[in-house]
Amino acid sequence: GQQLNQSPQSMFIQEGEDVSMNCTSSSIFNTWLWYKQEPGEGPVLLIALYKAGELTSNGRLTAQFGITRKDSFLNISASIPSDVGIYFCAGLSIYNQGGKLIFGQGTELSVKP
Amino acid sequence: EAGVTQFPSHSVIEKGQTVTLRCDPISGHDNLYWYRRVMGKEIKFLLHFVKESKQDESGMPNNRFLAERTGGTYSTLKVQPAELEDSGVYFCASSQGGAGANVLTFGAGSRLTVL
Repeated sequence: GQQLNQSPQSMFIQEGEDVSMNCTSSSIFNTWLWYKQEPGEGPVLLIALYKAGELTSNGRLTAQFGITRKDSFLNISASIPSDVGIYFCAGLSIYNQGGKLIFGQGTELSVKP
Repeated sequence: EAGVTQFPSHSVIEKGQTVTLRCDPISGHDNLYWYRRVMGKEIKFLLHFVKESKQDESGMPNNRFLAERTGGTYSTLKVQPAELEDSGVYFCASSQGGAGANVLTFGAGSRLTVL
């Protein structure tokens, strides 16, 4: 089946540092999504990308939809303690519409004050 | 507006027992999804309801899992009999119909521990 490979699996950084994580796939996706899950909560949508090459920002977060449509990255600038959580990429392929998302394994982010 | 609510938040059961998880989607959302995350792995799709009909149940692991959405409102996911590998966090999500179908709102999840 379709898979998303998300890296890194975990990151331990100092407050103020920038963070970068990415997802790759052997399949083409026509939508890329980035979610954040905090302890005891469900995933919350951070950024949605709908076109190849699209670069979108949401505050300190920036995400890009790769030109090949097989990858995406998420950058967080000047990290703060509340950025702690698990970040998931998710894709929606041309073959699976209707909300059937394919998720990456998640990147667990820890920020040291 | 109330979000997606799930109950229970955590359930601990013995292997062979039955557990029923409940999801109340956002009011008016026709689409309801169940996903599952086994520890440390990706969140995986289980199934999709459109109103009361099962649109796609290709992700259901086996026939020990039964999902229902009677009346097109809340949904239940029953696991009977539970096995050790069923442990994980079960997420419910909902979305509107039409152009908003791919914008999913997730609940906080129901953590299932099978001993």
